[in-house]
This record gives sequence, structure tokens and C-alpha cells, in this order.
Amino acid sequence: AQRVTQPEKLLSVFKGAPVELKCNYSYSGSPELFWYVQYSRQRLQLLLRHISRESIKGFTADLNKGETSFHLKKPFAQEEDSAMYYCALLGAGGTSYGKLTFGQGTILTVHP
Amino acid sequence: DTAVSQTPKYLVTQMGNDKSIKCEQNLGHDTMYWYKQDSKKFLKIMFSYNNKELIINETVPNRFSPKSPDKAHLNLHINSLELGDSAVYFCASSKARGVPYEQYFGPGTRLTVT
Repeated sequence: AQRVTQPEKLLSVFKGAPVELKCNYSYSGSPELFWYVQYSRQRLQLLLRHISRESIKGFTADLNKGETSFHLKKPFAQEEDSAMYYCALLGAGGTSYGKLTFGQGTILTVHP
Repeated sequence: DTAVSQTPKYLVTQMGNDKSIKCEQNLGHDTMYWYKQDSKKFLKIMFSYNNKELIINETVPNRFSPKSPDKAHLNLHINSLELGDSAVYFCASSKARGVPYEQYFGPGTRLTVT
């Protein structure tokens, strides 16, 4: 079974400070991992995915298979980054093929 | 031009009623999904359809019945609503099933059962 864990329900930082949102996963195959973001009163939208290896809005995430982690990082947080962030794993085979499993979500608040 | 749309946005109803939520996507995608976000913001897949065929059916009470009249639509019908059904329901779509296809989400329908 695939599982995604985000240990922090709430995370508060000040503007300009670095931020790291933690994500750990459990999956027997080769994982396809995503970070989704939900701004206040908006729909869930894709922030980034590990295979693209790109930086979106200053955020990056590196897949660490040894630690089964996919932490989201940004060196200098901005107030507009305040949102709910979900880490998600897409099943690539068997009964979990095509199934997107989300972590519990982390609410990031960036204070001025 | 909204990619994935849902109606209604808000739904308030009483226990025991039957209600439907509609979802439409104009992206030309083959696969559509329903997710439930509970009061603790936990997001979990309920169903998935690929080309009008049910492919994912999580352990959801059979009071919930998805219906896909065509590839662009996936509706969710709920019978005998219970208090615990109160949640935000999100529809999503992807070009195809599985890796590496990104899922696009609708705005959500907030269902409140009183």
C-alpha cells in the first residue's frame, strides 16, 4: 500500500526566512511524487513534480529514495506563499495504478 | 474558460435527502476522479473513471454512486445523506490514467448535511 506522511500540520515562518515542508512516503515501486498547493478559497493546483526537477515560485523539492522523502523547500518565504500544501504520490503499478494518495497537508503561514 | 468545473459550489441539505454534484471538464481528458476533503482537510480519492469506465472504487459507502454519461462529465449522486458526508468534494481530471499525467482539480463543492 502507498502512504504519504506530512508530519507538520501547521508551519509558521517570517517573511524572508527559509521554509521546509516535510514529506515522507511509503511505496514498493518507483514513486511519482508531487506537491499540490491550495491557496485560500482557491482550487488545488499542482506546484511541482519530481520528474520535472524545476523550481516553481522559488520552491524546489528533491526526491531522496534512501530516506523516502520529498521535502519542499524555499530559501526566502513570501507572504503570498501562505497556503495549504499537499504532498502526493501517484501509484505506478498494480492495484494502485493511477491512484493519487495525498498526505495530511501542511498549512504554511508566512508572517510579515 | 474554466478547465474543470463543478456545480453547485455550496450545497446545504438535510439528513436523509438525495443529492447530486456535477462535474465537467473541457480539457479533452480521458480520466476523471472524485475526491473527498474532510473537516481535517484530509484529501482522499473516492472514484476514478477512464473513458466512462469505473477503474478506481475506494471503500466508499454504496450510497455514493458516480455516473459518467460521457468522457467530459462525471457526476456524483449521494443517497440518504448522513451528517458524516459533510465535506468538500473535489472533481479532477487527467489526460490519461497513471504516470506521468497530472491531475487538474475543480473548485470543490462544499456539502453541509444538517
